[in-house]
Amino acid sequence: KNEVEQSPQNLTAQEGEFITINCSYSVGISALHWLQQHPGGGIVSLFMLSSGKKKHGRLIATINIQEKHSSLHITASHPRDSAVYICAAHYGGSQGNLIFGKGTKLSVKP
Amino acid sequence: KAGVTQTPRYLIKTRGQQVTLSCSPISGHRSVSWYQQTPGQGLQFLFEYFSETQRNKGNFPGRFSGRQFSNSRSEMNVSTLELGDSALYLCASSFFPLVQNTNSPLHFGNGTRLTVT
Repeated sequence: KNEVEQSPQNLTAQEGEFITINCSYSVGISALHWLQQHPGGGIVSLFMLSSGKKKHGRLIATINIQEKHSSLHITASHPRDSAVYICAAHYGGSQGNLIFGKGTKLSVKP
Repeated sequence: KAGVTQTPRYLIKTRGQQVTLSCSPISGHRSVSWYQQTPGQGLQFLFEYFSETQRNKGNFPGRFSGRQFSNSRSEMNVSTLELGDSALYLCASSFFPLVQNTNSPLHFGNGTRLTVT
């Protein structure tokens, strides 16, 4: 069964702190998505990666294919980073669908 | 470039009715995938359309269906609505179909919030 586990479920941080959100998946994937969802529902795609590491501004995403694990890091966190972060395992092959983690609700306090 | 547009934003329906939701992808994108988000189950994949053909389908009953038009706009239909269908329905577009897509990000719409009473 394809499963995606995210941790932690909830995270409260002080402005400026370094934040890490973890994502583990159970079987081989073609790519891993990191998504950001603000109140109101809209989702923004932050990263799509199939190997190594990607960086965009203060956000860094890494993936370890052998360990079936990915992390999202936020450096110098800011209150505007408060949102729900969701990882999604992208299965290609004959499936071509996404399995989502339950999300991590991040709250950054000023 | 306009983003992914979903209409309507909010919808209230009664049990037993049917509903149609619309999704207009980013210009040039031919893949449209649909997702259901509920507090209990989180985000779940419904189905994907590419070049007017359904490419794959998640684990949902046949009451959930969709179609895609030649301009890539997609509609999703839910018949015989149940209380449990109350959810945020999101669509996403991409250039490649999900089965081939390893490097083309998904672009999500703002969703349609459906309430079934």
